[in-house]
Amino acid sequence: AQKVTQAQTEISVVEKEDVTLDCVYETRDTTYYLFWYKQPPSGELVFLIRRNSFDEQNEISGRYSWNFQKSTSSFNFTITASQVVDSAVYFCALTFNNAGNMLTFGGGTRLMVKP
Amino acid sequence: DTGVSQDPRHKITKRGQNVTFRCDPISEHNRLYWYRQTLGQGPEFLTYFQNEAQLEKSRLLSDRFSAERPKGSFSTLEIQRTEQGDSAMYLCASSWGENTEAFFGQGTRLTVV
Repeated sequence: AQKVTQAQTEISVVEKEDVTLDCVYETRDTTYYLFWYKQPPSGELVFLIRRNSFDEQNEISGRYSWNFQKSTSSFNFTITASQVVDSAVYFCALTFNNAGNMLTFGGGTRLMVKP
Repeated sequence: DTGVSQDPRHKITKRGQNVTFRCDPISEHNRLYWYRQTLGQGPEFLTYFQNEAQLEKSRLLSDRFSAERPKGSFSTLEIQRTEQGDSAMYLCASSWGENTEAFFGQGTRLTVV
């Protein structure tokens, strides 16, 4: 069975602060994929990143960065210099090899960035 | 084509009625997924199609739920004899193949009264 835990249900920061969203996962599969999605108030899930279990390199995309640590089964997401537009619910998700986009989602972290 | 389209965006129905939702995927995408999201929770996978074939349906919540994708293009999700516990957001997503990201629609919010 697969499980994704996002222990932080809600985080509030002031604009320009850095913030890290935690994600811990459980799986017995040796090949798996991890994802982050953003859900703004409009409701549409927006894809942010997909990472396979064999690639532990950290990734940076603009103000976003991801830290994948297999040893601790974590895939954390950091937003640098947060902006009000970053306010949304962020979901971490997991799927196993050959499962395509049959994703197991965590419960989400609501991020509020105040001006 | 601007993305995955779902219709209606909102549906209010009385308990016991049947409802049907429609999803139009991105036109070149061959895989289509349905998820359910209840308030304050992450989406929960229900079923998916590759073209017109429904390849996984064991996660449909009960036999009151069914989905079709007759011509491998749009899909419908039907809930028969709705119950209050069916109130949720129903999300559709599509992708090209197995190893590309899924794009989600804005969902259909169902309220059963």
